[in-house]
Amino acid sequence: GAGVSQSPSNKVTEKGKDVELRCDPISGHTALYWYRQSLGQGLEFLIYFQGNSAPDKSGLPSDRFSAERTGGSVSTLTIQRTQQEDSAVYLCASSPQLAGGTDTQYFGPGTRLTVL
Amino acid sequence: AQSVTQPDIHITVSEGASLELRCNYSYGATPYLFWYVQSPGQGLQLLLKYFSGDTLVQGIKGFEAEFKRSQSSFNLRKPSVHWSDAAEYFCAVGARGGYNKLIFGAGTRLAVHP
Repeated sequence: GAGVSQSPSNKVTEKGKDVELRCDPISGHTALYWYRQSLGQGLEFLIYFQGNSAPDKSGLPSDRFSAERTGGSVSTLTIQRTQQEDSAVYLCASSPQLAGGTDTQYFGPGTRLTVL
Repeated sequence: AQSVTQPDIHITVSEGASLELRCNYSYGATPYLFWYVQSPGQGLQLLLKYFSGDTLVQGIKGFEAEFKRSQSSFNLRKPSVHWSDAAEYFCAVGARGGYNKLIFGAGTRLAVHP
């Protein structure tokens, strides 16, 4: 596709359930990022992938959060035992990983997660 | 630690008026700087970016921004606002190096009166 896609666009779940959020980056983009946008915290970095490895996971808020990337393409963010404070819009971005980091991140439309 | 401050949470301007959105950053060296726009229900779209060179950067939709090292600022400007510019605007700083973990400001919500 032409841009970054994310699914589902909306997810409503009950507290304590696990959820999986999917990101399809732009084809050929090596770098992939997850961010979270919430009312109280604004836009926060969660994790960065270079290919299939994640050299920076510093933004993951707790061990209930995990992410993987396979085939250097699709990424899945998993939240286990969801809590109400996990309610937010989860944004994925990808970039071509140019030398020196002088590249632009292209964002998907996000997944709105609501935990009841 | 890196941080970005956008002092104005909400700004309202009349259509056709000029616009300046403020952004101040804290970073140990010259950072990479970005402005993104988010329309309701949409993802983030890059307006412009500064990496090096000319401190006045031109972007899409008629926006420009000026990097001022002495003031640690990267303010966004537009000479004449259109109703379609109503959106939320985010300033962000990225670490120099192999990748860009973006640190965002809290955002400025722009309303445009006809």
